[in-house]
Amino acid sequence: NAGVTQTPKFQVLKTGQSMTLQCAQDMNHEYMSWYRQDPGMGLRLIHYSVGAGITDQGEVPNGYNVSRSTTEDFPLRLLSAAPSQTSVYFCASSYSNFNYGYTFGSGTRLTVV
Amino acid sequence: GNSVTQMEGPVTLSEEAFLTINCTYTATGYPSLFWYVQYPGEGLQLLLKATKADDKGSNKGFEATYRKETTSFHLEKGSVQVSDSAVYFCALSDVISGTYKYIFGTGTRLKVLA
Repeated sequence: NAGVTQTPKFQVLKTGQSMTLQCAQDMNHEYMSWYRQDPGMGLRLIHYSVGAGITDQGEVPNGYNVSRSTTEDFPLRLLSAAPSQTSVYFCASSYSNFNYGYTFGSGTRLTVV
Repeated sequence: GNSVTQMEGPVTLSEEAFLTINCTYTATGYPSLFWYVQYPGEGLQLLLKATKADDKGSNKGFEATYRKETTSFHLEKGSVQVSDSAVYFCALSDVISGTYKYIFGTGTRLKVLA
């Protein structure tokens, strides 16, 4: 099925560990982004990409890295996990014409202990 | 700057009641407007959209009209069901500082009781 695939669905990390959240889409969308969702905070943009080889920071980029080597993949790397990064992470993609709206993945629930 | 304001939740209704979730926006350009729905444990799904003033978006019995004069995009449904229980997000897309951006509201939780 066409869509946005995120892995893993659940993850528990120890403080200081690093990991990569995977995101892949098969809709040939140019635009991809990562959000975190925390209770009472809505969605906050971490990083986004307007195309392969181009990335930029969102509103809460600290502690996260991204890369976009292909149109399909947009991994999010946590450099040194902290308890404040406990959250649900969503990847989303869109055509560059934003009139079509976003397609979201099903999310990764991350707990940092 | 651009922003989206939604009514605070939770909204609790009985089955078959009429639903309105208010959404107003601030934008410098000509945004497109969206409603997304998030069911428990899932990602957001696009529910409906409107891309210009006076457009009406509709899907699954939900409707919203793009009102430029009142900068609003209120979500309505004539008769809610228990299965409509979810969190609803209003959003806009616009060109901000030369780049397309999405702006989301904080979400409104709807609980429908049988």
